[in-house]
Amino acid sequence: NAGVTQTPKFQVLKTGQSMTLQCAQDMNHEYMSWYRQDPGMGLRLIHYSVGAGITDQGEVPNGYNVSRSTTEDFPLRLLSAAPSQTSVYFCASSYSSRTALSYEQYFGPGTRLTVT
Amino acid sequence: GENVEQHPSTLSVQEGDSAVIKCTYSDSASNYFPWYKQELGKRPQLIIDIRSNVGEKKDQRIAVTLNKTAKHFSLHITETQPEDSAVYFCAARGSASGGSYIPTFGRGTSLIVHP
Repeated sequence: NAGVTQTPKFQVLKTGQSMTLQCAQDMNHEYMSWYRQDPGMGLRLIHYSVGAGITDQGEVPNGYNVSRSTTEDFPLRLLSAAPSQTSVYFCASSYSSRTALSYEQYFGPGTRLTVT
Repeated sequence: GENVEQHPSTLSVQEGDSAVIKCTYSDSASNYFPWYKQELGKRPQLIIDIRSNVGEKKDQRIAVTLNKTAKHFSLHITETQPEDSAVYFCAARGSASGGSYIPTFGRGTSLIVHP
């Protein structure tokens, strides 16, 4: 299994540009989520999905869109990039079942985004 | 929603000493408390977790304790080694439907182990 994959690893954008961060998992996990990590701020939830076709907002959703058309993929779209969106972005996935042996979140390798 | 506070933000110890990181949570419905380790430039990875029906769990040099009454849980690392140097995150995950199943993370503790 590849686990959770993310592309690209690095990206530089100009203010106002749009782009999509890709995330895919091959573990058949129901839950997928996007976090941003900034120094001293921990992992803040942007958007999450509890299954294909179902998404919801997290703590810091402004400026981002998501969709979940398949179980495997959960792309994050930046609509109009701003310098405040400079961050490291992590995608994660996990099982949903209450009877699951583990609720472990599996993280992707991250995307380092710089907006100038 | 859930709020997780983590302390200290930075912890510096000598090799061989013990390290303790503490977290509190706000939602009494939370029932799963994982700890993640993130090495520099890497992704967070689970190192230990505990469910609300257990008070303590140990795995070699690391242990986690949970006090449900006080809504408090802690990570204990004994006989620290330089390779333990990393950022550690605590998290809490609820039992209700919807968003509570996605864990809320603390802000992280940067552990530095000096040789």
